Amino acid sequence: AQSVTQLDSQVPVFEEAPVELRCNYSSSVSVYLFWYVQYPNQGLQLLLKYLSGSTLVESINGFEAEFNKSQTSFHLRKPSVHISDTAEYFCAVSDGRDKIIFGKGTRLHILP
Amino acid sequence: DAGVIQSPRHEVTEMGQEVTLRCKPISGHNSLFWYRQTMMRGLELLIYFNNNVPIDDSGMPEDRFSAKMPNASFSTLKIQPSEPRDSAVYFCASSLPSSGNYEQYFGPGTRLTVT
Repeated sequence: AQSVTQLDSQVPVFEEAPVELRCNYSSSVSVYLFWYVQYPNQGLQLLLKYLSGSTLVESINGFEAEFNKSQTSFHLRKPSVHISDTAEYFCAVSDGRDKIIFGKGTRLHILP
Repeated sequence: DAGVIQSPRHEVTEMGQEVTLRCKPISGHNSLFWYRQTMMRGLELLIYFNNNVPIDDSGMPEDRFSAKMPNASFSTLKIQPSEPRDSAVYFCASSLPSSGNYEQYFGPGTRLTVT
């Protein structure tokens, strides 16, 4: 069975500082990996995804994640965060069937 | 495309009343998912449909919850009778797995408060 672990429920970071949100998964088959973002009082939106090819994937707002098969990780990083990045971030995994398994989420708090 | 549409956006009801939440998936998508989100339990998958057929309802809390998808463009989630512990944000999402994309598109959610 697939599972996703987000070790940090909350991450505080100062504005303009770098951040890493950790995600580890378990799966016995090939995986597709996702990061979703949920801004306050909104639904989830896809931030970036890994389906195949380059293991480093980027979003349009400066986030990036690297698929590491040997460590079964898909950590999300941004070199310099902005107050507008305040949100909850969900890591998710799919085996290519219908369901996506979501992690419990990490709340990113940007400190002024 | 208008995206996934959910109604109502907010619902306040008294314990014991019937509640119906509605969802219109993105046109052409053939998988539809109902999730519930609370502070205590996070995001939970309740049920999902593929080609209008329920595939996995193992996340439905109990018999008070039921979901239907009478056609490709409409689904309902019904709670009868409602209880205060059902208070949560309910999300609908849709996808088209056969496209090789696997991404789920979420609606804005329905915030349910049961008093």
